[in-house]
Amino acid sequence: DAKTTQPPSMDCAEGRAANLPCNHSTISGNEYVYWYRQIHSQGPQYIIHGLKNNETNEMASLIITEDRKSSTLILPHATLRDTAVYYCIVRVVYIGNTPLVFGKGTRLSVIA
Amino acid sequence: SQTIHQWPATLVQPVGSPLSLECTVEGTSNPNLYWYRQAAGRGLQLLFYSVGIGQISSEVPQNLSASRPQDRQFILSSKKLLLSDSGFYLCAWTGTGKNIQYFGAGTRLSVL
Repeated sequence: DAKTTQPPSMDCAEGRAANLPCNHSTISGNEYVYWYRQIHSQGPQYIIHGLKNNETNEMASLIITEDRKSSTLILPHATLRDTAVYYCIVRVVYIGNTPLVFGKGTRLSVIA
Repeated sequence: SQTIHQWPATLVQPVGSPLSLECTVEGTSNPNLYWYRQAAGRGLQLLFYSVGIGQISSEVPQNLSASRPQDRQFILSSKKLLLSDSGFYLCAWTGTGKNIQYFGAGTRLSVL
């Protein structure tokens, strides 16, 4: 799986959009970009994933650059409950028997 | 909808005592099931995965074992706990599409 690089921490004001970047310059053509988050003392929560088109769901939007070497997770209106560690993971779509590899992620702090 | 249940949420056990953690998935059939461990401040380590009843694959040699007695039940066990077995244990599953891994709430185990 391709390696990802994320800033270690970010702050965001409550009610504002949180934009979390991820670099994955060695991504292969068959690898998707997945985002998970882990709120303190809870299990990781799936947020969204995409291949090359931008994706949106009820939680967030995922913007992938045209060359697919980077992406941005957007939380449109951050709340205090969005404070968590956010992980960007790149891998082929069929997870099968192999584990997800979580890096250090970005610790997002939403401030009132 | 599919849900995953893990219990207990927290557990304190003495060294040398046995362990049994249970994970069940509802609302799906023939899931792939996984046990991960997360040490304090570190990433997730895959311990076991299962693609079907009675089929267990171990990723890391250790003091633990896993069993899958039913399609949607996954059990993590130990005959004698070690101090190094302390950590946050997470169960996860992937469904029919096999492309998204969902996690349980986790069990925080302290071996004293």
